[in-house]
Amino acid sequence: DADVTQTPRNRITKTGKRIMLECSQTKGHDRMYWYRQDPGLGLQLIYYSFDVKDINKGEISDGYSVSRQAQAKFSLSLESAIPNQTALYFCATSDRRRPGGLFGSGTRLTVV
Amino acid sequence: DQQVKQNSPSLSVQEGRISILNCDYTNSMFDYFLWYKKYPAEGPTFLISISSIKDKNEDGRFTVFLNKSAKHLSLHIVPSQPGDSAVYFCAARVQGGSEKLVFGKGTKLTVNP
Repeated sequence: DADVTQTPRNRITKTGKRIMLECSQTKGHDRMYWYRQDPGLGLQLIYYSFDVKDINKGEISDGYSVSRQAQAKFSLSLESAIPNQTALYFCATSDRRRPGGLFGSGTRLTVV
Repeated sequence: DQQVKQNSPSLSVQEGRISILNCDYTNSMFDYFLWYKKYPAEGPTFLISISSIKDKNEDGRFTVFLNKSAKHLSLHIVPSQPGDSAVYFCAARVQGGSEKLVFGKGTKLTVNP
């Protein structure tokens, strides 16, 4: 199993639908992150969490929400998807001992 | 305003030669700088980092140089190999314990056999 697993890998959804992207990790890292990547751009931070009871907004949190159900699980929800949320979404984990962390393989989301 | 800039969208080098990828930053509140490599259909993979108090870090074929006065860092790959062909992201970690990363837009490196 991959250290950081994202599901689904690809998803097409309609405008206005609610959708959840899931992330789980096996490394026991306390920090988890959700990033978004648009074509030709770097990754932008949506939300991050230091532990189950800690949720923080990133640069572009509007239109998104998250849930840290357990140390190993961090899900991202789009309450009412819109076309400009079409992007590649990455989950990442890290711990304080080593910079860099681990990324999942990404979820390609298309909102039509 | 983009705090981490990679001004070259692409770079092409011959196998065996040196690849130099550049990154500039505008914010002095970063404590670590990191390089990631990304292949298509995969997530970024951490490659190498450098603390803001250092000026060089080396790991095998990869060396990162930091010039704080110029707010510039570079990644050197010597010798370059075809398997190094990927998109390389420069990132900076924000001080203060959040471990938030600010990413550049990436540079696509192509190493030709």
